[in-house]
Amino acid sequence: DADVTQTPRNRITKTGKRIMLECSQTKGHDRMYWYRQDPGLGLRLIYYSFDVKDINKGEISDGYSVSRQAQAKFSLSLESAIPNQTALYFCATSRAQGAYEQFFGPGTRLTVL
Amino acid sequence: GNSVTQMEGPVTLSEEAFLTINCTYTATGYPSLFWYVQYPGEGLQLLLKATKADDKGSNKGFEATYRKETTSFHLEKGSVQVSDSAVYFCALSPLIQGAQKLVFGQGTRLTINP
Repeated sequence: DADVTQTPRNRITKTGKRIMLECSQTKGHDRMYWYRQDPGLGLRLIYYSFDVKDINKGEISDGYSVSRQAQAKFSLSLESAIPNQTALYFCATSRAQGAYEQFFGPGTRLTVL
Repeated sequence: GNSVTQMEGPVTLSEEAFLTINCTYTATGYPSLFWYVQYPGEGLQLLLKATKADDKGSNKGFEATYRKETTSFHLEKGSVQVSDSAVYFCALSPLIQGAQKLVFGQGTRLTINP
């Protein structure tokens, strides 16, 4: 089945470490997104990409960077992790047209000690 | 601006009870509306959607009607099951070219007891 996958699924790291979260999709979608989920806050958009050459900041991009290596791959980096970046991170994809419904990966649980 | 307000949880019901989770929105233009569900330990899954006023989205016994006059998209199910226990998110997507994201409500945790 076409799918959105994320690696790793769980990660524990220490303050100051560099971390990369990876997302791959086989849906053939042009658009990809990174969200973080915190209890009681729903999902907040970190970065989004409409295609390989188009990357945009979301509402909470500070402390994060992204790379769109190919249509199917979109990675999120924390250059120097801090404890308040402890959260559940989701990658999502969507088509470029239509109702813009998004399809989510299973998430990465990141803990920064 | 665009925003979504959901009924606060947690919501606890007995099996076979009737479910309503309220969702209201503020939006420019005519957004598409969605309900997503997140089961424990999993990512979000699209439950249903509606793209224009008076549309009814339905799936797995859940329904929601796009009400433009009340700016609402309430989720309903006539008889819930234990397996419906999850977190439910209402979301909107502005229906304009280049729309870049979904706007989510804060989520409503639903627990169904046998």
